[in-house]
Amino acid sequence: GAVVSQHPSWVICKSGTSVKIECRSLDFQATTMFWYRQFPKQSLMLMATSNEGSKATYEQGVEKDKFLINHASLTLSTLTVTSAHPEDSSFYICSARNGPVSQPQHFGDGTRLSIL
Amino acid sequence: QKEVEQNSGPLSVPEGAIASLNCTYSDRVSQSFFWYRQYSGKSPELIMSIYSNGDKEDGRFTAQLNKASQYVSLLIRDSQPSDSATYLCAVNQETSGSRLTFGEGTQLTVNP
Repeated sequence: GAVVSQHPSWVICKSGTSVKIECRSLDFQATTMFWYRQFPKQSLMLMATSNEGSKATYEQGVEKDKFLINHASLTLSTLTVTSAHPEDSSFYICSARNGPVSQPQHFGDGTRLSIL
Repeated sequence: QKEVEQNSGPLSVPEGAIASLNCTYSDRVSQSFFWYRQYSGKSPELIMSIYSNGDKEDGRFTAQLNKASQYVSLLIRDSQPSDSATYLCAVNQETSGSRLTFGEGTQLTVNP
């Protein structure tokens, strides 16, 4: 149980392109979803937290107009990287939680984004 | 002081040995503690959750929590080469709302 699917796994695109990443909880309802990015050899960095039907809460330093998050249903959240540039290249990982904060987060497989 | 600190790695143990991974946290009122395993190039995978003082065992894994000392650990018995990964300690600190605070991870290598 607690399977989170993230799509796509890899994206390579040109600078200036917008990229959408989907995160789905397959066998549970995700009341809260999280988006992280991770650079090589570094720890996870939380970008934003989203609750279904609400606006996402962004971490300090994360541009909300750059990283658009939509959590339209209890099983789907999307992250759109708008007008991506090479410095946005990273490993983006979503996670989902069902219920209160005491419950664990379950991670998707991640999306490796490369901007040329 | 970091909010969640893990013993600096990398940690190297021979196959069959016990690997001990340690984590301390700063927020005394934290209630939920998790260990995740992350293979190189992959996303984290939940191994254990622990909420009460004492030991919690699941197969070859044992999580230990001591809230008075603000300390949580993960023991891996009969370590296998497939256990080689980075282990992340994560704490839900009440002051951080719904987010998890992750340690920087300890890289474990199990040598055949």
